[in-house]
Amino acid sequence: DTEVTQTPKHLVMGMTNKKSLKCEQHMGHRAMYWYKQKAKKPPELMFVYSYEKLSINESVPSRFSPECPNSSLLNLHLHALQPEDSALYLCASSQDAVGAFYNEQFFGPGTRLTVL
Amino acid sequence: GIQVEQSPPDLILQEGANSTLRCNFSDSVNNLQWFHQNPWGQLINLFYIPSGTKQNGRLSATTVATERYSLLYISSSQTTDSGVYFCEDGQNFVFGPGTRLSVLP
Repeated sequence: DTEVTQTPKHLVMGMTNKKSLKCEQHMGHRAMYWYKQKAKKPPELMFVYSYEKLSINESVPSRFSPECPNSSLLNLHLHALQPEDSALYLCASSQDAVGAFYNEQFFGPGTRLTVL
Repeated sequence: GIQVEQSPPDLILQEGANSTLRCNFSDSVNNLQWFHQNPWGQLINLFYIPSGTKQNGRLSATTVATERYSLLYISSSQTTDSGVYFCEDGQNFVFGPGTRLSVLP
């Protein structure tokens, strides 16, 4: 099974709302990732968790708060977002993370976020 | 940081045609992946290919790590091949800008 699941598929929120994106994998992978993708652009890395610890934060604004409750779950908490944060948010997992010899990533279907 | 380039940026093919997509890297890459992003946004794994050549049906890929490039070959293209093709440096987690492929019936 090489499936990464993400919920919700679509999310519309106001700038004062608090919401969360969820990601789950059951492949026994120890690294999980959040990427942000704007229209007609490639995905851009936001965060990397390795063995449930945050190992990379690509200078993401604090209105995005990641959380890794266990090795299978990854959340992205959203608060006070701006309209320019509207994008497709992709979660991925891999067997290992930074510096790994073998590190094939598997992506979820994404959450399409609209901030009004 | 590492720079990833892809060419061509856009490609329009007639169904049944063959094509070659290229990915260039500014530095050595140990983990290279090719993905196909479908119209719904799903990134589909095509190849994990740090070096050498792999084939999967009508698709094949070659990475020449010493020369910092990778090629994706699509033969006998079908309309379902349409979408955006990305290569990614899986060590630095950097994607190329993508090649947008349209296959016409």
